[in-house]
Amino acid sequence: AQSVTQLGSHVSVSEGALVLLRCNYSSSVPPYLFWYVQYPNQGLQLLLKYTSAATLVKGINGFEAEFKKSETSFHLTKPSAHMSDAAEYFCAVSDPNSGYALNFGKGTSLLVTP
Amino acid sequence: DTEVTQTPKHLVMGMTNKKSLKCEQHMGHRAMYWYKQKAKKPPELMFVYSYEKLSINESVPSRFSPECPNSSLLNLHLHALQPEDSALYLCASSLRTGSSTDTQYFGPGTRLTVL
Repeated sequence: AQSVTQLGSHVSVSEGALVLLRCNYSSSVPPYLFWYVQYPNQGLQLLLKYTSAATLVKGINGFEAEFKKSETSFHLTKPSAHMSDAAEYFCAVSDPNSGYALNFGKGTSLLVTP
Repeated sequence: DTEVTQTPKHLVMGMTNKKSLKCEQHMGHRAMYWYKQKAKKPPELMFVYSYEKLSINESVPSRFSPECPNSSLLNLHLHALQPEDSALYLCASSLRTGSSTDTQYFGPGTRLTVL
């Protein structure tokens, strides 16, 4: 099965600092990768997705991610963190073995300090 | 409109109760999903419906019974649940199944507590 690994269960940044959330994938075929955000007591919202059209993917709220095949990575970045970015972030891959439902990483909790 | 709605928002039930969760979308999506999310964990797939037919059951216990009465509506019937079934139940939909690139849109979830 296709899977993703998120490095770092908690990341803390200062307001205005660079946000970097790491995701590596394991796949024998070209993966289709997603980043979702979950605010407390809410559902998941798509930030961006990689569908092989372009390696640098821009998403909502100033986030972007770069697909690097040589590193099997799809890290999420944002140049300047806002307090409102504090949330749980999930990297996911669509799994052909389950009707292309999503296999999620364990998640990274982002804390933004003033 | 990219909205998936779920009712109720919160549900508390005893182990002998029967209850149902409801999910609705009006985006014309033909694939619908149930996920279970325990606290501080990622969502885990339970069921996939494709064109109103159950296509994937991830070995979910029979005390969870899904139903898709029409293309817009997905139910999850609950009976004789255990306290460890307490979780956030998320519904999602996408345009198609069998598509690796379609976005899944998630509802806000139902927070279930089993006493």
